Amino acid sequence: EIQLQESGPGLVKPSQSLSLTCSVTGYTITSGYDWSWIRKFPGNKMEWMGYISYSGSTNYNPSLKSRISITRDTSKNQFFLQLNSVTTEDTATYYCASITDYYVMDAWGQGASVTVSS
Amino acid sequence: DVVLTQTPVSLSVTLGDQASISCRSSQSLEYSDGYTYLEWYLQKPGQSPQLLIYEVSNRFSGVPDRFIGSGSGTDFTLKISRVEPEDLGVYYCFQATHDPYTFGAGTKLELK
Repeated sequence: EIQLQESGPGLVKPSQSLSLTCSVTGYTITSGYDWSWIRKFPGNKMEWMGYISYSGSTNYNPSLKSRISITRDTSKNQFFLQLNSVTTEDTATYYCASITDYYVMDAWGQGASVTVSS
Repeated sequence: DVVLTQTPVSLSVTLGDQASISCRSSQSLEYSDGYTYLEWYLQKPGQSPQLLIYEVSNRFSGVPDRFIGSGSGTDFTLKISRVEPEDLGVYYCFQATHDPYTFGAGTKLELK
């Protein structure tokens, strides 16, 4: 069973970078699948942010393309989100998830709440 | 980007009722391989989203058969027959046919 867990600072200042880690157990991220970040804003709006594939290629939502970077550490079976130049509009709960067969997100982390505030 | 329009925004039901949620896409969600990558997720209060339905009508492992997905092209529906307390939360449709992947705005299912 794939399990994911997000970690990182809960508070980030405007204009700084948001950095989160997703630790994966139960599956090796280089074996297959795509490893994704999704966020949920206050209210109900959800946004798919991007993913890093098992081969290391990335695919980002163009709305974030200039600010987002998803990388990985295969030795630790972790992948990372960096979002630069954050504003208060980036305040959200950030989830990592695996995109497996049939392009489904069938395993999610518990979510990391990030507030952007000075 | 593909816009998924979900209706209603909220739905008040009595336990045991049927509930129906619509998801309309701004473009056809049929991919060139013939599959339609339209999914439904439920986020229960205090939990992460969970997959219910994939490829329009396939129930994910462990999802009760009272959840029924249907539709094609641009019009999709999730029906929940005999709503139970554990079905309450926010439902999202999601498409992975076109880049970037997108979510509907969500439908909150609550008790009357």
